[in-house]
Amino acid sequence: GIQVEQSPPDLILQEGANSTLRCNFSDSVNNLQWFHQNPWGQLINLFYIPSGTKQNGRLSATTVATERYSLLYISSSQTTDSGVYFCAVGSGTASKLTFGTGTRLQVTL
Amino acid sequence: DGGITQSPKYLFRKEGQNVTLSCEQNLNHDAMYWYRQDPGQGLRLIYYSQIVNDFQKGDIAEGYSVSREKKESFPLTVTSAQKNPTAFYLCASSALRQGTGTGELFFGEGSRLTVL
Repeated sequence: GIQVEQSPPDLILQEGANSTLRCNFSDSVNNLQWFHQNPWGQLINLFYIPSGTKQNGRLSATTVATERYSLLYISSSQTTDSGVYFCAVGSGTASKLTFGTGTRLQVTL
Repeated sequence: DGGITQSPKYLFRKEGQNVTLSCEQNLNHDAMYWYRQDPGQGLRLIYYSQIVNDFQKGDIAEGYSVSREKKESFPLTVTSAQKNPTAFYLCASSALRQGTGTGELFFGEGSRLTVL
């Protein structure tokens, strides 16, 4: 199956700083999603982005499918951005996604 | 409110007992999923269903069972055959997209199962 690697595994930022999270995958995909899991365990879908670039407020994402990676940018980070960010990918017509192991982000005052 | 409801949020079980976790959605999504998350780990797929009365095994289906008798409901039973059932269980749903399978995945708040 597809392998998904996320980096860095852990990240500590001061409030207001910017960051870039990376997701590498081992094979062609036609489905890629980014999620944020808050400290209470709730997972929120941030982006559905199998290719191209999208922006939503302070967050943006870019997927370069031909080079098998995706980037999640967080600008002007806030303490509420803390949590774990997951990338998940899928291929073909299969309706299941494979998740990476996540990047744990802590934003401090 | 539209969304996915999981219950119970916390559950304690003695070894040898089966437990059933509930997942209900009112988003009119065709596909539903069960994931398991262990501390500090990513999510692993247990079972998924794309249509009523049909479901497929995921990567770690051993020791679990599901049913999909209604579009809105996808309960998960953790059986006594599951060797290490203590975990955080997450239910999700999505609309199906032509050509790519699943659309955006939406999650419930999860159920934390502890085996004593």
